[in-house]
Amino acid sequence: QKEVEQDPGPLSVPEGAIVSLNCTYSNSAFQYFMWYRQYSRKGPELLMYTYSSGNKEDGRFTAQVDKSSKYISLFIRDSQPSDSATYLCAMSTDWGNYQLIWGAGTKLIIKP
Amino acid sequence: EADIYQTPRYLVIGTGKKITLECSQTMGHDKMYWYQQDPGMELHLIHYSYGVNSTEKGDLSSESTVSRIRTEHFPLTLESARPSHTSQYLCASSEGGAGEKLFFGSGTQLSVL
Repeated sequence: QKEVEQDPGPLSVPEGAIVSLNCTYSNSAFQYFMWYRQYSRKGPELLMYTYSSGNKEDGRFTAQVDKSSKYISLFIRDSQPSDSATYLCAMSTDWGNYQLIWGAGTKLIIKP
Repeated sequence: EADIYQTPRYLVIGTGKKITLECSQTMGHDKMYWYQQDPGMELHLIHYSYGVNSTEKGDLSSESTVSRIRTEHFPLTLESARPSHTSQYLCASSEGGAGEKLFFGSGTQLSVL
């Protein structure tokens, strides 16, 4: 069983919709949770970063961590065609730990 | 502009050839990484470096080797390419550990025939 599970999609939604992307994990020692966005033929770029449980908001993006359920989410409000990309979750047990554990990514398509 | 560069973007090569994938960053980061990414699969760490003359293998077994002679340069070498090496190779750097923000290059798509 993989340490981090992520639905590969594709997830196709109309422009303006609220999007919910999720990852589940099995290692309760994970404390640092990240969402990366990867456009086609590009490297991933960090979108959101959270420590432990709780919510973090940045513009149209909200990251949520529920450690009791071992479940993290990324919400995108007012989705735009430019949000079409693959979204990767990643997590780590320690700050400064070189070893991130990655999800396989969810492909998101926003239809104009 | 601070950035991380990978060359070539695409490489098609025959079995048995020696190849070097280049990675350079202008941000002065000590930490650098090589990841392998296959379609629909997780990123897997194959090499990392904490600084000059420091290199370690990652969790994914790889026949490649790396060197870190200069802070800004972290090339990856395959002595004898095989079809099983066909993959996308991503280079990244960070100021701290990987728990901090990783900056990725655009990747090298390698195809070994």
